[in-house]
Amino acid sequence: AQKITQTQPGMFVQEKEAVTLDCTYDTSDPSYGLFWYKQPSSGEMIFLIYQGSYDQQNATEGRYSLNFQKARKSANLVISASQLGDSAMYFCAMREEDFGNEKLTFGTGTRLTIIP
Amino acid sequence: DARVTQTPRHKVTEMGQEVTMRCQPILGHNTVFWYRQTMMQGLELLAYFRNRAPLDDSGMPKDRFSAEMPDATLATLKIQPSEPRDSAVYFCASGSTGMREPQHFGDGTRLSIL
Repeated sequence: AQKITQTQPGMFVQEKEAVTLDCTYDTSDPSYGLFWYKQPSSGEMIFLIYQGSYDQQNATEGRYSLNFQKARKSANLVISASQLGDSAMYFCAMREEDFGNEKLTFGTGTRLTIIP
Repeated sequence: DARVTQTPRHKVTEMGQEVTMRCQPILGHNTVFWYRQTMMQGLELLAYFRNRAPLDDSGMPKDRFSAEMPDATLATLKIQPSEPRDSAVYFCASGSTGMREPQHFGDGTRLSIL
């Protein structure tokens, strides 16, 4: 079974609108972390935001926020007031807290295109 | 801002040649990861180190790939002999232990094997 599922291969969104990128995950570990990364066309991977499984509040970082629904095992990224520079691939990733495990499992990504 | 530095950025070579990719992790980070990204397979973890010790290289084809950390400021990924199917973007990432610590990625090496 896929540990991280991103069901939207591509999305087109009008500039200035909010956008939600979906991510569902599968783990039996009670302690885990979820990360979102952005990969622009230039290729680098940029860390955006983190949500821990025990965090009481949804994570926010500037225009990025996480809609974390633990019971549904979803951690959707919300980008408010989208900008042309938000056009990129977005990857959801998970780290499970096995003893000493720092590995990330990545989803297949969503390609977001912002339309002027 | 501190960054992970990867060299070379681009490499084109013929099959059968040895390829060495280098990575300088962020100073103070104690974990280093090598990933391969292709259109078909997405991001795959090849190997990872903690405090320079290899912890997991199960994602790496052992017969031709090798990963080492000769010191805390240098990680290397070697392919010998290279094959056309090795063409991909190879990323190095570094981080710190701790659940909340993200991995910070280098800009990648775009490798083409002819």
